[in-house]
Amino acid sequence: DAGVIQSPRHEVTEMGQEVTLRCKPISGHDYLFWYRQTMMRGLELLIYFNNNVPIDDSGMPEDRFSAKMPNASFSTLKIQPSEPRDSAVYFCASSLAEDGVQETQYFGPGTRLLVL
Amino acid sequence: AQSVTQLDSQVPVFEEAPVELRCNYSSSVSVYLFWYVQYPNQGLQLLLKYLSGSTLVKGINGFEAEFNKSQTSFHLRKPSVHISDTAEYFCAVSLNSGGYQKVTFGIGTKLQVIP
Repeated sequence: DAGVIQSPRHEVTEMGQEVTLRCKPISGHDYLFWYRQTMMRGLELLIYFNNNVPIDDSGMPEDRFSAKMPNASFSTLKIQPSEPRDSAVYFCASSLAEDGVQETQYFGPGTRLLVL
Repeated sequence: AQSVTQLDSQVPVFEEAPVELRCNYSSSVSVYLFWYVQYPNQGLQLLLKYLSGSTLVKGINGFEAEFNKSQTSFHLRKPSVHISDTAEYFCAVSLNSGGYQKVTFGIGTKLQVIP
């Protein structure tokens, strides 16, 4: 398996621009997570999906952030408009919950976002 | 709600020396516990996990951790570290209370192995 795939790996944009991050989870996994990692705040869970349905988006910082999962093999995280404080590494992860028990989360390589 | 505290932000250690990375958690119900490792410019990967059973858990790369319920701890240990163990280590917790529970990660501990 190719693992979790994220694109782009690096993104540099200017304040006010729209940014779209993409994720392809591991085939067969039923949970998908979006995290943000910064030096100041560490690893923060933004939102997670189960079977393509958003379950908990309480970590999404504000309305500028939105996430979708149109099918089991693709998810996007969009920031519109972007701000310099959104600069971070964004990780996508997926997992398969067996018998309702949390199993291992598999992380993608991350997208390093810099908003100027 | 659960929380996890990693007491050391950075741990320098000489190559071939033993290391312990500390993790304490807080929860009113029973928990699942995890250690993840993040190598530079990579995503996190699972080192080991405690779900139930034996409190001593062995993971990849020679790491092990012991679940201590009375002390609410899940410290990570390795008897002899290698240069390649230089990375950031994250302790994580989720509730064992039925259904799917989201995982809360600690702030991370940077392990620096000195040649």
